[in-house]
Amino acid sequence: NAGVTQTPKFRVLKTGQSMTLLCAQDMNHEYMYWYRQDPGMGLRLIHYSVGEGTTAKGEVPDGYNVSRLKKQNFLLGLESAAPSQTSVYFCASSRGQSYSGANVLTFGAGSRLTVL
Amino acid sequence: AQKVTQAQTEISVVEKEDVTLDCVYETRDTTYYLFWYKQPPSGELVFLIRRNSFDEQNEISGRYSWNFQKSTSSFNFTITASQVVDSAVYFCALSEWYDSGYALNFGKGTSLLVTP
Repeated sequence: NAGVTQTPKFRVLKTGQSMTLLCAQDMNHEYMYWYRQDPGMGLRLIHYSVGEGTTAKGEVPDGYNVSRLKKQNFLLGLESAAPSQTSVYFCASSRGQSYSGANVLTFGAGSRLTVL
Repeated sequence: AQKVTQAQTEISVVEKEDVTLDCVYETRDTTYYLFWYKQPPSGELVFLIRRNSFDEQNEISGRYSWNFQKSTSSFNFTITASQVVDSAVYFCALSEWYDSGYALNFGKGTSLLVTP
């Protein structure tokens, strides 16, 4: 099983350019998440999805958009990249509805984005 | 908002020493889950343990042990007889309800360096 796959692994953008990060999971998980990791900041939740066709904002959603058209895919878009969006982005997924937060997150390998 | 504090930013030990990584959390929930993840130098995030708020029994897995104390809102992680392969960043996380689902709220991480 591939688990959670992120593409691309590395990308360099110029300020103002747009791009999309793709996350794909093959575990039939309902929940999917996008986090960003910055030095000294831990992981911060950008957006998440509780099922196909749904998306919701996390802690740091500004400057990003997401879509979940298919259950297995969760796309993270940057419409106009800024240097502050230089980061490592992690996608994760977890099993179906949990009413107490018990779900274990399975993470992808990360995507390193640099905005010049 | 809930909060996870890992006060130790960096720890350096010599191989075979025991080391404890601290995690203190804040939550108003009566039912919640705590997690530890490991991020080795290769960058992926590896799940280590999940603990629910009703189970205060300490857990041991090989050289790893976890001490959950609800009275002090702490969930500390001890590595016994540390090895160079334990060098990694370790994250403590708390399940948190966002608008439409649960996600993990991570601490800022503790970087552990084990030298020969």
